Amino acid sequence: DQQVKQNSPSLSVQEGRISILNCDYTNSMFDYFLWYKKYPAEGPTFLISISSIKDKNEDGRFTVFLNKSAKHLSLHIVPSQPGDSAVYFCAASGGNTGKLIFGQGTTLQVKP
Amino acid sequence: NAGVTQTPKFRILKIGQSMTLQCAQDMNHNYMYWYRQDPGMGLKLIYYSVGAGITDKGEVPNGYNVSRSTTEDFPLRLELAAPSQTSVYFCASIPTGRSGELFFGEGSRLTVL
Repeated sequence: DQQVKQNSPSLSVQEGRISILNCDYTNSMFDYFLWYKKYPAEGPTFLISISSIKDKNEDGRFTVFLNKSAKHLSLHIVPSQPGDSAVYFCAASGGNTGKLIFGQGTTLQVKP
Repeated sequence: NAGVTQTPKFRILKIGQSMTLQCAQDMNHNYMYWYRQDPGMGLKLIYYSVGAGITDKGEVPNGYNVSRSTTEDFPLRLELAAPSQTSVYFCASIPTGRSGELFFGEGSRLTVL
């Protein structure tokens, strides 16, 4: 029962182009969504989030879009840089426990 | 301010052995979590705690136990280690349940042979 799904295990883009990472969820009770970035041998670090009352949140080169009717969110990175190469996890939460349900992750490779 | 500290970073166990993964945070966060990450599987919640003396099961609690006697510490106990528990374990914390993003430790890599 995978409540949060990232169907693309990997993505490769050229430096300077746009990277688009996708995430789908099934639980309509989720009301907060996050993206985490993870480098090898390190813990995940928070990247950007969005509340269910919004459909877009932007922070510098990173923008997250939320489509509640489709239960879909996406992370756009523009322009992509080689340092963005990492594993990106989508996560969702609902309620007051702070528990996050994670997707499987997408490995992004940005080529110079 | 060290954030979330996990020890040990690496450990090899034999089948049937027991051990405790330590997690400590110095941010005075009430909520703490243990996740495990298996290759290609994302992070799965093992146990969590909303304050000292209060713990609850996550998605994959079998084979593990936790305790929360202080706000700072949240150890994860593995009893009778099995190869299926080979994984990378992450501890995380947030101030409250509606605080948003979790702060993660660097992880503990456990191998059970």
